[in-house]
Amino acid sequence: AQKVTQAQTEISVVEKEDVTLDCVYETRDTTYYLFWYKQPPSGELVFLIRRNSFDEQNEISGRYSWNFQKSTSSFNFTITASQVVDSAVYFCALSEAWDNAGNMLTFGGGTRLMVKP
Amino acid sequence: EAQVTQNPRYLITVTGKKLTVTCSQNMNHEYMSWYRQDPGLGLRQIYYSMNVEATDKGDVPEGYKVSRKEKRNFPLILESPSPNQTSLYFCASRLQPPSYNEQFFGPGTRLTVL
Repeated sequence: AQKVTQAQTEISVVEKEDVTLDCVYETRDTTYYLFWYKQPPSGELVFLIRRNSFDEQNEISGRYSWNFQKSTSSFNFTITASQVVDSAVYFCALSEAWDNAGNMLTFGGGTRLMVKP
Repeated sequence: EAQVTQNPRYLITVTGKKLTVTCSQNMNHEYMSWYRQDPGLGLRQIYYSMNVEATDKGDVPEGYKVSRKEKRNFPLILESPSPNQTSLYFCASRLQPPSYNEQFFGPGTRLTVL
């Protein structure tokens, strides 16, 4: 069965610090998809990125970057020069290409990031 | 605007009083699902639907029912709510396979069962 673990439940940093949110996953599938979502204090879920299992290239989008390493089953998320607006709960999620549950999205427990001014 | 809507956004009810949370999407998506979010557990899937009249259980279906009579709507029904169903609920939709497709989430419904 698929599983996603976000070991850091809460992280607190001071503005302008860099911060990395860890995500480790388990799956028996060779084809799968990884996602990151942001949940700001207002509660909605904001899609940040998806990555498929055949694409191990790291991605950078502004201050955000993602490091996907199949060898360690990790898909870590780094925020460079953090800002107060980055304060949110961040979820890592996994979807297998072929499963018996309609390609269910399995979420990690989330990491609450607090960026202090 | 492409979106998933849920109603109500907030609900406080009492044990045993049947309730329905509505979910509607305007993107013509085949796949819809319901999740509940609890602290430390992330989001867990309750039920999903691959298309009209095709629903199935997710990870935590006990105490819930769903129906999919129309493509755009996917209501979540709690026949006899209990306090352990106090949670934040999200409806989501996406195009059918591959599962690569992004899921679009509704704004959430915060339910409290007293």
